[in-house]
Amino acid sequence: GIQVEQSPPDLILQEGANSTLRCNFSDSVNNLQWFHQNPWGQLINLFYIPSGTKQNGRLSATTVATERYSLLYISSSQTTDSGVYFCAVEDNYGQNFVFGPGTRLSVLP
Amino acid sequence: DAGVTQSPTHLIKTRGQQVTLRCSPKSGHDTVSWYQQALGQGPQFIFQYYEEEERQRGNFPDRFSGHQFPNYSSELNVNALLLGDSALYLCASSGVEGWNEQYFGPGTRLTVT
Repeated sequence: GIQVEQSPPDLILQEGANSTLRCNFSDSVNNLQWFHQNPWGQLINLFYIPSGTKQNGRLSATTVATERYSLLYISSSQTTDSGVYFCAVEDNYGQNFVFGPGTRLSVLP
Repeated sequence: DAGVTQSPTHLIKTRGQQVTLRCSPKSGHDTVSWYQQALGQGPQFIFQYYEEEERQRGNFPDRFSGHQFPNYSSELNVNALLLGDSALYLCASSGVEGWNEQYFGPGTRLTVT
């Protein structure tokens, strides 16, 4: 089945810093989403981005489907950005929605 | 606009027992998927329901079963609970047949003792 990798596994930033999170996937995908999981376990939708670039406030994402990767950019990070960021993809056969292992972000005041 | 809701929030069961978790999809959505998230890992797909039938299934044993009702709400049943079934169980809904953009509920945290 499709494999999803995320890097880095852990990231510690000072408030105000910028960061880039990466998601690599092993096969063509129909769908790609980025989520933020808060400390209570709620998965919050950030981007639905099977291809192209999107921006939402301090966050933006780019997916290059032909090269099988996606990037999530966080600018001017805030302590409330802390948590785990997941990339998830729908395989090209429409049979599975696979999550990566996540990047744990800690933003220090 | 009501989002995805799940009940109960927390649950403690004993090995060998059975459990039922419930999910109501986001308004306007007709497809429900269930995931298991063990501590420190990403969610893993269990199965998906559309038009009251199981459409897709991940690599989970038959002890995991489900149901979808005519109002699109869904149940996840787990029989003969094992300690390893302790996890956060997440429900997601989407708006068209198949996957599309998925929206997740707050989850049910199951502890098996």
